[in-house]
Amino acid sequence: GNSVTQMEGPVTLSEEAFLTINCTYTATGYPSLFWYVQYPGEGLQLLLKATKADDKGSNKGFEATYRKETTSFHLEKGSVQVSDSAVYFCALSEVASGGGADGLTFGKGTHLIIQP
Amino acid sequence: DTEVTQTPKHLVMGMTNKKSLKCEQHMGHRAMYWYKQKAKKPPELMFVYSYEKLSINESVPSRFSPECPNSSLLNLHLHALQPEDSALYLCASSQEAGGSREQFFGPGTRLTVL
Repeated sequence: GNSVTQMEGPVTLSEEAFLTINCTYTATGYPSLFWYVQYPGEGLQLLLKATKADDKGSNKGFEATYRKETTSFHLEKGSVQVSDSAVYFCALSEVASGGGADGLTFGKGTHLIIQP
Repeated sequence: DTEVTQTPKHLVMGMTNKKSLKCEQHMGHRAMYWYKQKAKKPPELMFVYSYEKLSINESVPSRFSPECPNSSLLNLHLHALQPEDSALYLCASSQEAGGSREQFFGPGTRLTVL
């Protein structure tokens, strides 16, 4: 079956530090890959996505590249802010066996804390 | 409109109550989902509706009963819940076929079962 592995944290950084959150996956086919962010007390927001090998997703200064050879989708940001403090989930999606929609497979989530 | 709305935002119910959670989207998406999220855990898939038909039920107890009245609405009917069912219930939607299949989530309903 499919699975996603990511560092769980908490990860604590100072403002303006460089961020990397590692994510690796196992999938039977050719999944789409996502990073979602969840702020306290809220639902999940799509941060970025990539649908095929070597695609780079980017949004709000965050980037991640779909690496098929290493089955990875690491999240990076060059200079974090206090407002980036949240829980980050790596996720994948594949077409269900019957060809229809299927749920997302999530990693366990990484709690990111940015200190001023 | 790229929003998924959920009501109520908070719900407290006893173990003998019957209540319903509601979810709505107006993005023309044909797939809708219910997830359950416990504190400090990732969301767990409960149900998937595709073109208003239940396509996936992840072995959810019968005290949770989903309903999809039309392509924009998704309900979750609750009956005889247990305290361990207390969680954040998230609704999501996506295009049914093709594309990158990203799911758009609502803000969730925080459920407390007493």
